[in-house]
Amino acid sequence: SQQGEEDPQALSIQEGENATMNCSYKTSINNLQWYRQNSGRGLVHLILIRSNEREKHSGRLRVTLDTSKKSSSLLITASRAADTASYFCATDEGGNNRLAFGKGNQVVVIP
Amino acid sequence: GAGVSQSPRYKVAKRGQDVALRCDPISGHVSLFWYQQALGQGPEFLTYFQNEAQLDKSGLPSDRFFAERPEGSVSTLKIQRTQQEDSAVYLCASSSGYGAVTQYFGPGTRLLVL
Repeated sequence: SQQGEEDPQALSIQEGENATMNCSYKTSINNLQWYRQNSGRGLVHLILIRSNEREKHSGRLRVTLDTSKKSSSLLITASRAADTASYFCATDEGGNNRLAFGKGNQVVVIP
Repeated sequence: GAGVSQSPRYKVAKRGQDVALRCDPISGHVSLFWYQQALGQGPEFLTYFQNEAQLDKSGLPSDRFFAERPEGSVSTLKIQRTQQEDSAVYLCASSSGYGAVTQYFGPGTRLLVL
């Protein structure tokens, strides 16, 4: 079953703008991860945030986690055309031996 | 080193045919996962191996799906008597840790059942 639900589903922005996408989940978690998938390719891990963390940065990425609201956001600053991809959040559902993925956000960065 | 590789990259099968999908994980990774991704959707968990032991196969949609990892390295996902609803991208992932930690994905095998 799909755990995370990203919002919005599709986003089109100009190069240089920031892109923000959200994810909500239903069960308790140990960690939440964000992955990127370029068209026709496998997923690439972007960042992992643990349940006791509220914010994490990695390069142009900023992830926040609000466990009280069971939600997370991914911010990509100063977007580039190469950021065009689908972005998925995934949780461990509190310790399952699997990742539960959301439906994904499609982000298109226009040069 | 090399990442996760999968073969074939594309497979067209006639309904009722058996198929076998191969995954070569990153060398030394103890955990291996299979996911199924339908068009426009996120990946759905199928099964999980820790070394050669299949610890979780709760995501396999039917008994037509079978996975193995006999030596704790290469894994094969087999689908018997394929149906049209089996058409999807099958993703393999591996990780050096146990369970749902950071996973490294292969490019996937796109299966089309006619």
